[in-house]
Amino acid sequence: GNSVTQMEGPVTLSEEAFLTINCTYTATGYPSLFWYVQYPGEGLQLLLKATKADDKGSNKGFEATYRKETTSFHLEKGSVQVSDSAVYFCALSFTGGGNKLTFGTGTQLKVEL
Amino acid sequence: GAGVSQSPRYKVAKRGQDVALRCDPISGHVSLFWYQQALGQGPEFLTYFQNEAQLDKSGLPSDRFFAERPEGSVSTLKIQRTQQEDSAVYLCASSLSGGGSNEQYFGPGTRLTVT
Repeated sequence: GNSVTQMEGPVTLSEEAFLTINCTYTATGYPSLFWYVQYPGEGLQLLLKATKADDKGSNKGFEATYRKETTSFHLEKGSVQVSDSAVYFCALSFTGGGNKLTFGTGTQLKVEL
Repeated sequence: GAGVSQSPRYKVAKRGQDVALRCDPISGHVSLFWYQQALGQGPEFLTYFQNEAQLDKSGLPSDRFFAERPEGSVSTLKIQRTQQEDSAVYLCASSLSGGGSNEQYFGPGTRLTVT
């Protein structure tokens, strides 16, 4: 079946540090890939997405590139802020499957001053 | 505009009780999803509606779980004879249509605690 594997957290960084959260997937075919974010006390929000190989999704300074050859979709940000502290979820879906999302377990990010 | 809303936000049930969780999707959204999120885990798919039709219920963990969306808008997830392992946050999401890359908009969730 389809699955998503993320690096375990929590990840603790100082403000302005570089962020990478690794995500790899196992799937039959070529899914769409997503990063969702859950800020403290809030619901899940879409952060960025990519629908085909070599696409780069970007939003709020975050980026992720769909790498078919390594089945990866790593999340990066050049300079994190305290306000980026949240839980980040990598996910995939297929058009033919009604686009239900398969999520990773989530990675908690803590950014300190 | 209004997002996805869920009620109640918190529910405590004694083991064996039945519960009903409500989801109000964004107006006009065709697709509606239910997910279950255990503590420290990612959400797991339960079931999917396109309008009033339940097209996929492969994620429902047992026949104690039942979902409906009779008029193609509001949906209810019902859990009969609750067990401790049902304790989780239940998330509802809606999207404009069924395309694989369409964004799903999530509600705040209902935290169910079974004692």
